Amino acid sequence: ETGVTQTPRHLVMGMTNKKSLKCEQHLGHNAMYWYKQSAKKPLELMFVYNFKEQTENNSVPSRFSPECPNSSHLFLHLHTLQPEDSALYLCASSQPPGIRWFGPGTRLTVT
Amino acid sequence: DQQVKQNSPSLSVQEGRISILNCDYTNSMFDYFLWYKKYPAEGPTFLISISSIKDKNEDGRFTVFLNKSAKHLSLHIVPSQPGDSAVYFCAAIGGQAGTALIFGKGTTLSVSS
Repeated sequence: ETGVTQTPRHLVMGMTNKKSLKCEQHLGHNAMYWYKQSAKKPLELMFVYNFKEQTENNSVPSRFSPECPNSSHLFLHLHTLQPEDSALYLCASSQPPGIRWFGPGTRLTVT
Repeated sequence: DQQVKQNSPSLSVQEGRISILNCDYTNSMFDYFLWYKKYPAEGPTFLISISSIKDKNEDGRFTVFLNKSAKHLSLHIVPSQPGDSAVYFCAAIGGQAGTALIFGKGTTLSVSS
C-alpha cells in the first residue's frame, strides 16, 4: 500500500474512553504531522515529528498524546476527550520543508 | 489573527468557464505557497505550489499567480469541470518557523454542468 493511511476512518467514543488513532506512511518521508479540522475553521497543526523527535506541540491539551515509534508510524492517543474535540483528524507526512501528503483522516465523534 | 485568508467561503462556476480562487496572506516572511484540494471524506491532496521567487506557475488546467506586493495569490482553473467541485485550501510556509504550514479556511467550489 502506498501513500499515507489512517485507521480507523470513523470513531465514536465516550468522554471516559481511551482510544488511539494510527497513521502510517509509505513515502519514505522523515516528518509526520497531526492536524485537526473542525467545521468552518482552518486546518490546525497539532504536532510535528522530525526523524521521530517531536519538534512542535501547538499548545495542544494533554488529553491528546502523540507517539512516533519510527519514521513510518504515528499515533495519537486520546483520553477523557470533550465533545468539542469532535473533528476530522488528519495525518500528513513530508520531506521538509515542503509539500504535506495527507491521509484520508479519522472522523472522531465524542459523545 | 489569521495569517492566510480565503475570504470567499464558496464559488459557483459553470462547466467550461474559468474558476478563480483567491487567497491573501499577512506574513511577508512566507516564501512558499501551496493549494490543496479536498473532497468530502478524504484528506487534502496537493494540487500546485509556487515559490516566492516566481509570480506564476502552471500545471495543465491549473495556474497559480502570486503578487508579493499585494500579498495575494490566486488559483485559476481553466476550463472548469464538474469533477473540480471540492474545497480548495490555500497554504503558506516560511519565515523562522520553517516547517509550519499555515492554512486558510478553504473555498468550496461548485462547478455545474
